[in-house]
Amino acid sequence: EAQVTQNPRYLITVTGKKLTVTCSQNMNHEYMSWYRQDPGLGLRQIYYSMNVEVTDKGDVPEGYKVSRKEKRNFPLILESPSPNQTSLYFCASSPTWTGRTTYGYTFGSGTRLTVV
Amino acid sequence: AQKITQTQPGMFVQEKEAVTLDCTYDTSDQSYGLFWYKQPSSGEMIFLIYQGSYDEQNATEGRYSLNFQKARKSANLVISASQLGDSAMYFCAMREGRTGNQFYFGTGTSLTVIP
Repeated sequence: EAQVTQNPRYLITVTGKKLTVTCSQNMNHEYMSWYRQDPGLGLRQIYYSMNVEVTDKGDVPEGYKVSRKEKRNFPLILESPSPNQTSLYFCASSPTWTGRTTYGYTFGSGTRLTVV
Repeated sequence: AQKITQTQPGMFVQEKEAVTLDCTYDTSDQSYGLFWYKQPSSGEMIFLIYQGSYDEQNATEGRYSLNFQKARKSANLVISASQLGDSAMYFCAMREGRTGNQFYFGTGTSLTVIP
């Protein structure tokens, strides 16, 4: 089954304790991205990657790191989490934009992170 | 300026009635794609419908149709014959640009279907 797998689904952690949220896709998609969702703000892009070893900042990258060493994996790293990073996080992937045709995202199931 | 604007934070509709969820977008690109996603209370994001900027016909997928008005930069979602299972948050989104680097989302509309 074509899917994006995120882990964990739920995570409660303490301020300052480094954590990694994993994301893996099995569709050979070039493009992967991380979003956070907060009430009233919709989904905001944190980082995206056009392909292996190619990553770039989205709209809200502060406090986050990513890496893309393999095509299928795109982990999100919080080096020193703070309470304002409490949110619902989504990983998403899609094929590369092709101009006149386009593809939407396949989303992971989401990770609900609470930082206390 | 906001790339995607959804002006209806919450909407109510009677079961079996049709409802329109509004979405306007802002882009100077000629090539872009517009999407609608549904997010039920369980949290997952479900793709509903897509409209390309060059598509002349409005997109339809079952009970969902997209009312695309290019000159007005609007891409409203129409749900016909609403069902209780349609109660969810709905997000409008746009992918723009030659490289499609950015995928913008609106703030969402919460739809409640009343029996």
